[in-house]
Amino acid sequence: QVQLVQSGAEVRKPGASVKVSCKASGYTFSDYYMHWVRQAPGQGPEWMGWISHHFRATNIAQRFRGRVTMTWDTSFTTAYMELSSLRSDDTAVYYCATEGHSDSGTFYRAVDVWGQGTMVTVAS
Amino acid sequence: QTVVTQEPSFSVSPGGTVTLTCGLSTGSVSTSYYPSWYQQTPGQAPRTLIYSTDTRSSGVPDRFSGSILGNKAALTITGAQADDECDYYCVLYIQSDDKYVFGAGTKVTVL
Repeated sequence: QVQLVQSGAEVRKPGASVKVSCKASGYTFSDYYMHWVRQAPGQGPEWMGWISHHFRATNIAQRFRGRVTMTWDTSFTTAYMELSSLRSDDTAVYYCATEGHSDSGTFYRAVDVWGQGTMVTVAS
Repeated sequence: QTVVTQEPSFSVSPGGTVTLTCGLSTGSVSTSYYPSWYQQTPGQAPRTLIYSTDTRSSGVPDRFSGSILGNKAALTITGAQADDECDYYCVLYIQSDDKYVFGAGTKVTVL
C-alpha cells in the first residue's frame, strides 16, 4: 500500500526559502511522478509541478519556474520541494501526491495517493 | 490562460442524485483532457475519486461515477449521503502545455 508522509509545519519570513519533504513507501511502479500541489487558506488547490522517480525529470508550472526546485534524496525514497523568495501569499498547505501508470506505461494524468500536507506560513 | 469551470455550489437531498460538471474556458472537454475528480473535507487532504474520465480510484464506492456530458466532464453522485457534503474539485490535463489545472471547486450540501 502506497503511503506518503510529509514533514511538519514550517514558519518562514518573507524572502526566505522552505524545503518540504515527502517520504514514499510501498510503490511498485517502475516509474511514477511525484506531484506537488498547494492550497492557500480558503482557496482551491493549485498544481505546482512534478518530478519523475525513474528519470528524475521535472515539469514545473510556469508561474513557479525559477522559484521551485524538486529533487529526490540519494535513496530515491524521499522527494523534496524547495520554494524560494517566499512571499506572504505563499502561505498554504503543500501536498505531495503520486501519479502512476497503466501496464502499458501510459501515465494516468491524475494523482492518486496524497500526503497529509505540510502547512507553510510566511510572515514577518 | 486556461480556466477550468465548476459550479460554485450544489444542493442534493439525502438519497438523491447530483451531477457536477467541469468545463474549459477554451473549448470542449474530451477524454483527451483526462478529467479527474477529487473530494475534500475541511482540514483534510484531497481524496482521489475518479481519473481518466471514468475510472474509480481504489476503494471509491460505485455511487460515484465520471463521464463526459456534452462538452464537459461530469461527476455524478447517486444515493447521496450526509458524508458526501464537502468540496469537489475537477482537474484537467492540458497536453499542449503538459500541465494540470484545477477547477475552483463545487461545494456540495446534502440536506
